[in-house]
Amino acid sequence: DAGVIQSPRHEVTEMGQEVTLRCKPISGHDYLFWYRQTMMRGLELLIYFNNNVPIDDSGMPEDRFSAKMPNASFSTLKIQPSEPRDSAVYFCASSRDRPSNQPQHFGDGTRLSIL
Amino acid sequence: QKEVEQDPGPLSVPEGAIVSLNCTYSNSAFQYFMWYRQYSRKGPELLMYTYSSGNKEDGRFTAQVDKSSKYISLFIRDSQPSDSATYLCAITNNAGNMLTFGGGTRLMVKP
Repeated sequence: DAGVIQSPRHEVTEMGQEVTLRCKPISGHDYLFWYRQTMMRGLELLIYFNNNVPIDDSGMPEDRFSAKMPNASFSTLKIQPSEPRDSAVYFCASSRDRPSNQPQHFGDGTRLSIL
Repeated sequence: QKEVEQDPGPLSVPEGAIVSLNCTYSNSAFQYFMWYRQYSRKGPELLMYTYSSGNKEDGRFTAQVDKSSKYISLFIRDSQPSDSATYLCAITNNAGNMLTFGGGTRLMVKP
C-alpha cells in the first residue's frame, strides 16, 4: 500500500502569494487531518475531515487558511495571502477510523518557506 | 500552560542505555495515550498505544501511564543508534477524534 502522499515536498514563495498544498490519503481511510509543525508550537491540528466533510476547523489560524476535500482521494490546504509566519512543515495524515481506534498515518510533509 | 508538556531535550545517551521519555498532561478527560517516533524530515509514525493506567510492553519499548498523576512515560531498553529520533507523546480528547501532541523530545543514541 502506498502511504500518504503530499506535494510539493518543498515550497519557497514570497509573502502575499497564494500557496496550495496537496494530499492524497491512503485508499480506504475515512479520516484526513492537516497539521502544522514549528519549533515554537510543535505539531498542531489545523482541521480534520470525515468522509470528505470538514468536522473541526478550530485549529485553522485565520481566514487566510482554507482546506477542501472534493473526493476521498484528494485534499488541499490553501493559504492566501501567505505571510512569513506561515513558514512551517505542514503534514497530512489519514486513518481508517478516529484516532482512538486506528493509528494515523502521516505523509512526509511539505516544508513551506515564506520570504 | 500547554495541555501536553514534554521536555524538548536533546537527550544524548550511549548505545545500550535505558532511555526514559516523559510527558505530563493537564486534562483528566484525556482517554487514549500514544507515542509517535519522528525521524528527521519524515512524518511521525505510531510506536505505542495504550488506554489504561499501567504498563504496556512491545519488544524493547514499554509505555507507562499514570492517570492519577497525569503522567506518561516511554522506556527504551538496549537503545540503538537507529532509535535516534524525536519522540512525541499524543493524547486523544474525550471523544477520541482528535490528538493533542507534546512538543517532542529529541533523542540521540551514540555508538
